[in-house]
Amino acid sequence: EVQLLESGGGLVQFGGSLRLSCAASGFTFSSYAMRWVRQVPGKGLEYVSGISVSGSHTYYGDSVKGRFTISRDNSKNTLYLQMNSLTAEDTAVYYCAKVVTTEGYYMDVWGKGTTVTVSS
Amino acid sequence: QSVLTQPPSVSAAPGQKVTISCSGSSSNIGNNYVSWYQQLPGTAPKLLIYENNERPSGIPDRISGSKSGTSATLGITGLQTGDEADYYCGTWDNSLSAWVFGGGTRLTVL
Repeated sequence: EVQLLESGGGLVQFGGSLRLSCAASGFTFSSYAMRWVRQVPGKGLEYVSGISVSGSHTYYGDSVKGRFTISRDNSKNTLYLQMNSLTAEDTAVYYCAKVVTTEGYYMDVWGKGTTVTVSS
Repeated sequence: QSVLTQPPSVSAAPGQKVTISCSGSSSNIGNNYVSWYQQLPGTAPKLLIYENNERPSGIPDRISGSKSGTSATLGITGLQTGDEADYYCGTWDNSLSAWVFGGGTRLTVL
């Protein structure tokens, strides 16, 4: 079964850092691009970041550029999101998603999410 | 403010049909494929439609997608109470070099 399992969420202080992980199973992780998407409770989906198969290309939403870093370890089938300089606006559920890199670049598998709460 | 524009809510009676629109521009929908995602309350999003009008296995044919110019539409016929959810469109934006979502549409089956 194809599965994504996020971890690393929790309560962090304003200005602090946190690293999220996403463990993949049931598919050849090294053959797929990956993304992070977040959702503030009660709000819509927001693209956070994406990474290519090899990790050589990374992409970020405007609200996290310069603060968040996406990476992957294909030997460990794991995706990461390093989050620095966190603010209250980063409080959200963070989902990782597998990207099908045909012309559509759509997300066909999503994890259940991990919750990040930034508080002073 | 989302790059893609969706109506905040739509509603229809069980058994009826509903459409959800998604409006963008030439930098996103106009030159890229659109996908649609369903998010049931308290759950993660789920892929409903990819590459404008393709259904993943397991998605019934009462769900359809289409695209014309810089707009896309999700259609659901034979509405069921289990269809009550939030629906999001998404696509790549060439100007932003980022994926963009619509603001989401809440479907209520009356």
